[in-house]
Amino acid sequence: AQKITQTQPGMFVQEKEAVTLDCTYDTSDQSYGLFWYKQPSSGEMIFLIYQGSYDEQNATEGRYSLNFQKARKSANLVISASQLGDSAMYFCAMREGRGNYGGSQGNLIFGKGTKLSVKP
Amino acid sequence: SAVISQKPSRDICQRGTSLTIQCQVDSQVTMMFWYRQQPGQSLTLIATANQGSEATYESGFVIDKFPISRPNLTFSTLTVSNMSPEDSSIYLCSSTLQGAGGSFFGQGTRLTVV
Repeated sequence: AQKITQTQPGMFVQEKEAVTLDCTYDTSDQSYGLFWYKQPSSGEMIFLIYQGSYDEQNATEGRYSLNFQKARKSANLVISASQLGDSAMYFCAMREGRGNYGGSQGNLIFGKGTKLSVKP
Repeated sequence: SAVISQKPSRDICQRGTSLTIQCQVDSQVTMMFWYRQQPGQSLTLIATANQGSEATYESGFVIDKFPISRPNLTFSTLTVSNMSPEDSSIYLCSSTLQGAGGSFFGQGTRLTVV
């Protein structure tokens, strides 16, 4: 079974509008972290936002916010006021608490990604 | 945030040759990770590199094909050996700052094998 599911292979959004990218996860750990990354065509992975499983408030970083619904095991990324430069692949990822090396330093498990295209 | 410098950024290599990718972190980190991203796919973990011990490889990846070095707490290399066109991918190194949330990546190495 997939641990990270991103059901939207591609999304379109009009410039200046908000967009939500979906992500659901599956883990039996109580301690875990959820991440979103942006990958432009250059291939680099740009860290956007992080949410810890025990964080009570939804994470926000500038125009990015993470809509964390723990009971539903969802961690959707909301991008407000979309810009043309937001066009890229977006990956949701999870780091489980007990991974190979446990704690806060384990490896990430990635979803398949969503390609976001911002229209002028 | 951590700064992770990875090189080369891209290379075109002949089949049967080997390429070594370097990754330098600007602070000491316990674990470094190497990922592969095949064309149009997501990232897959190749191995975890700890300083002072053998790397731990994921299922489907072997040391003979992807030898890894981790000589100190800020540096690691991944070698792609005896390359074939199927090795054409983006290879990325990553690490996590202890106590912090974020996991950070190098710029990636876009490898094409011809």
